[in-house]
Amino acid sequence: DIVMTQSPDSLTVSLGERATINCKSSQSVLYSSNNKNYLAWYQQKPGQPPKLLIYWASTRESGVPDRFSASGSGTDFTLTISSLQAEDVAVYYCHQYYTTPYTFGQGTKLEIK
Amino acid sequence: QVQLVQSGAEVKKPGASVKVSCKASGYTFTGYYMHWVRQAPGQGLEWMGWMNPNSGDTSYAQKFQGRVTMTGDTSISTAYMELGRLTSDDTAVYYCVTNIGAADVGGNWFDPWGQGTLVTVSS
Repeated sequence: DIVMTQSPDSLTVSLGERATINCKSSQSVLYSSNNKNYLAWYQQKPGQPPKLLIYWASTRESGVPDRFSASGSGTDFTLTISSLQAEDVAVYYCHQYYTTPYTFGQGTKLEIK
Repeated sequence: QVQLVQSGAEVKKPGASVKVSCKASGYTFTGYYMHWVRQAPGQGLEWMGWMNPNSGDTSYAQKFQGRVTMTGDTSISTAYMELGRLTSDDTAVYYCVTNIGAADVGGNWFDPWGQGTLVTVSS
């Protein structure tokens, strides 16, 4: 199974500041035939299902604010919130859909300082 | 709009089975796989498997093999996930989720999600 490891487990950032979450996979999720990374990011708020933010490692889902961006390739990925807003308080998960069993990172809890 | 509406919360005793339903609307039910993901209280997300509503084919995570059954009723656009031999470790919110948009471009990210069904296993 591909193990997804996020860091840090929790993060406290001031409003307007940058937040960065890392995700590392135990094996590459880059599919060489199409040069795409099979990696997504989700945001989950209490009592709600996860919400898709990013797919193909760096493509923002329609309607997601442009303060959310993501990058990375192979085994190392990053989600960045450029200017933290109060509504961004949530748990963030990375997810590999390269191969089954599909797996998620353990989550990063983002809070306001 | 696309919607997945799940059945209500359940309380079960250890050793029992639970069957959660997920009614799809706003898209062609048979066109996209239905996945099930669970989340124990305060914990992360765990993929359980998928069901192809068009063929009935399934693929389950090894952890749940022999204990989970995923089915669908195309006449009412509803998917089901049945989990047997429940223990307290199965206490979790169970989500159905499909991959509209993703499947059309060869991806398999999860969107949209159902609202979740809390299953509590307690004696």
